[in-house]
Amino acid sequence: GENVEQHPSTLSVQEGDSAVIKCTYSDSASNYFPWYKQELGKGPQLIIDIRSNVGEKKDQRIAVTLNKTAKHFSLHITETQPEDSAVYFCAASGGQGAQKLVFGQGTRLTINP
Amino acid sequence: DSGVTQTPKHLITATGQRVTLRCSPRSGDLSVYWYQQSLDQGLQFLIQYYNGEERAKGNILERFSAQQFPDLHSELNLSSLELGDSALYFCASSVGVRGRASSTYNEQFFGPGTRLTVL
Repeated sequence: GENVEQHPSTLSVQEGDSAVIKCTYSDSASNYFPWYKQELGKGPQLIIDIRSNVGEKKDQRIAVTLNKTAKHFSLHITETQPEDSAVYFCAASGGQGAQKLVFGQGTRLTINP
Repeated sequence: DSGVTQTPKHLITATGQRVTLRCSPRSGDLSVYWYQQSLDQGLQFLIQYYNGEERAKGNILERFSAQQFPDLHSELNLSSLELGDSALYFCASSVGVRGRASSTYNEQFFGPGTRLTVL
């Protein structure tokens, strides 16, 4: 089955700097890759996603890139703000027609003022 | 607010007991997914229902079961509870088009979760 690896597990950046989180997946049939932000005491919140027919997608300060050949995708946050501090999860789905999400282990992002 | 609701928010019970967690999907969503989040296992898929029918199963224990009702709300039943079942349980919903192998309707929106503590 699908396996998703996420790095780093923790990331600390200065406010205003950029943050990058990387994920790799194992199932070449996966075709949907969402990113979720989870704040303390809350459920995961979908912040951006990308499908396998697209290489890059951007939404304001957030962007995601996908390299199907290498089977990896990344989340880029620019001009980081204190409210970006949270745990971020990548996920993959679509392999064998499955809709379930297989999650990475999460990255705890801390933005230092 | 994702539009997915879950009750209760917190649940404290003893080993050997049985509990029921409830989820109401976003308006118009036909698919409901259950996930377990624990410190050691991360976010793990348990089970999916689409329009009342079981669609996919993950590593769900035999002590756990779920169903989706005609009004599309779903319940996750956990029985013979063990200490290791303590975790956050999330419900997610998506539009979920039947028979579509493509990911066109894969966006899943999560509820606030139920924190289960087994003592």
